[in-house]
Amino acid sequence: QKEVEQNSGPLSVPEGAIASLNCTYSDRVSQSFFWYRQYSGKSPELIMSIYSNGDKEDGRFTAQLNKASQYVSLLIRDSQPSDSATYLCAVINAGGTSYGKLTFGQGTILTVHP
Amino acid sequence: GAVVSQHPSWVICKSGTSVKIECRSLDFQATTMFWYRQFPKQSLMLMATSNEGSKATYEQGVEKDKFLINHASLTLSTLTVTSAHPEDSSFYICSGGVNIQYFGAGTRLSVL
Repeated sequence: QKEVEQNSGPLSVPEGAIASLNCTYSDRVSQSFFWYRQYSGKSPELIMSIYSNGDKEDGRFTAQLNKASQYVSLLIRDSQPSDSATYLCAVINAGGTSYGKLTFGQGTILTVHP
Repeated sequence: GAVVSQHPSWVICKSGTSVKIECRSLDFQATTMFWYRQFPKQSLMLMATSNEGSKATYEQGVEKDKFLINHASLTLSTLTVTSAHPEDSSFYICSGGVNIQYFGAGTRLSVL
């Protein structure tokens, strides 16, 4: 089982719809969870961080965390063509020897079509 | 958020030469930074963890003698690709941060 798994995608939604991206993780002691967006040919940029159970909203983006189910999701409301990108779920585990070391999911390609 | 500056953004070199990539933390002190490599249409692959004042920690399968990492100060980590070959052509990205990892803009390396 992979440490961090994302829904396989690709995901295609019409403009204005809600895009739902899902991620599960295997290490129960994971503490910090992140969603990054990566446009083709560019480096990842941070969209959201979440650390405690529940929802966290920032503009059109909502991250949801459920530690009991080991599940984290990202909702994008009113999706725009500019949201078309690869979305990366990432986790930082407690302990370990390298603070800040991210474990990434394989990424979900999102396409928002006009 | 924290600012991570990576330079150069793009480099072309001849086979057999060495290339140095710099990663700077502009507004925080980075005791640890991370180096990734990404091939087209593939996921980020962590190459190594750069530790200020000590040796880097390399991921399994990454040749430490080929990918030299130096982290001599709290604001600068460098990755040197030694004796580069065409198969080393890739997108190299660094990251750093205090509680959140921010990524540099990346360096696209093309080895002819």
